[in-house]
Amino acid sequence: KNEVEQSPQNLTAQEGEFITINCSYSVGISALHWLQQHPGGGIVSLFMLSSGKKKHGRLIATINIQEKHSSLHITASHPRDSAVYICAVLGAQKLVFGQGTRLTINP
Amino acid sequence: DGGITQSPKYLFRKEGQNVTLSCEQNLNHDAMYWYRQDPGQGLRLIYYSQIVNDFQKGDIAEGYSVSREKKESFPLTVTSAQKNPTAFYLCASSTTLGGYGYTFGSGTRLTVV
Repeated sequence: KNEVEQSPQNLTAQEGEFITINCSYSVGISALHWLQQHPGGGIVSLFMLSSGKKKHGRLIATINIQEKHSSLHITASHPRDSAVYICAVLGAQKLVFGQGTRLTINP
Repeated sequence: DGGITQSPKYLFRKEGQNVTLSCEQNLNHDAMYWYRQDPGQGLRLIYYSQIVNDFQKGDIAEGYSVSREKKESFPLTVTSAQKNPTAFYLCASSTTLGGYGYTFGSGTRLTVV
């Protein structure tokens, strides 16, 4: 079993839909990152959080430390949100990555 | 603007040849990392460096080598000993090892033929 599990692995939705991507982890962590990877391959950090909730524009990230679970939400999704979203946990000074969720938003 | 520059974006090499991937950062970060990404898998850590002239093996270091002679630069050499070198390689940095400000490069796609 991977230390970081994401679900779903693939998600296709219509423009405007509310999107939720989940991340569960099995190790102790000091922080959790949500990353976005576009088709070209470069990765952008969306959030780093260690408790509670963060919001940036249409993106919201939450974390429940007790349940070892985090969610990334996208409101009013748009085709430009299409990308791979990666959860990564920081434990023992190293990042451990989930396998990613491929999101496709159709117009 | 500060960031990480990886070059080249695409690289083709013949089997048996060593190849070096470049990673440069102007963020004044102490820690730098190399990751490998294969289809359907999470990124895996190859090597990391906490500070200049120091580096440590990650989870999949066999067949790779690195150097950290300057704070800004952390080149990765894929040697002929790496059995399956075709992959996407990402460089990253952070303020300190396991610290804040994780920044990723745009990656190098290496194809060995």
